[in-house]
Amino acid sequence: RKEVEQDPGPFNVPEGATVAFNCTYSNSASQSFFWYRQDCRKEPKLLMSVYSSGNEDGRFTAQLNRASQYISLLIRDSKLSDSATYLCVVKAPGANNLFFGTGTRLTVIP
Amino acid sequence: DTAVSQTPKYLVTQMGNDKSIKCEQNLGHDTMYWYKQDSKKFLKIMFSYNNKELIINETVPNRFSPKSPDKAHLNLHINSLELGDSAVYFCASSQAVLSRAEAFFGQGTRLTVV
Repeated sequence: RKEVEQDPGPFNVPEGATVAFNCTYSNSASQSFFWYRQDCRKEPKLLMSVYSSGNEDGRFTAQLNRASQYISLLIRDSKLSDSATYLCVVKAPGANNLFFGTGTRLTVIP
Repeated sequence: DTAVSQTPKYLVTQMGNDKSIKCEQNLGHDTMYWYKQDSKKFLKIMFSYNNKELIINETVPNRFSPKSPDKAHLNLHINSLELGDSAVYFCASSQAVLSRAEAFFGQGTRLTVV
């Protein structure tokens, strides 16, 4: 079983739409969670960390459900510039490794 | 002032050759990583390394070896290249002691084995 699983999409949404991505992780002892963004042919970059109480950064909201081992990312009022692949990332407990999901591809359409 | 830089950006080589990819970070981080991103875009950890410990993903063939001359560099050496080694290789670094540490990635090296 993979450490992190995501729906690969693709998600094609119109500008202004709200879209949500989900991912699940297998190790219940995991402590740190992140969403990274990767543009086509570019390196991954941190979008936001995910905190236990949930957190918001502008149009982006991240949620964590430890009981279900589930992480989500909500994007409101989608912009064309939001088109990218969104990677769910989990840090293994007691180790320095980040485990990446396969990514969910988002295309925002004019 | 690139934080994590890796060279070359593109590498095309024949099967059986030996090649190296270099990585340098100027962030003062204590941990560096190599990731492989295959054709399905899946990012998989290959190695993580700090000045105390090398952690190797057991699925990585021993033809791959990381070499760290100092804290700011982690190079990847690959022996006897195979067609299946074609992928994008990303170097990254983080201040790994902090659980919420952000990993910074290099721009990637697109390796094509022919």
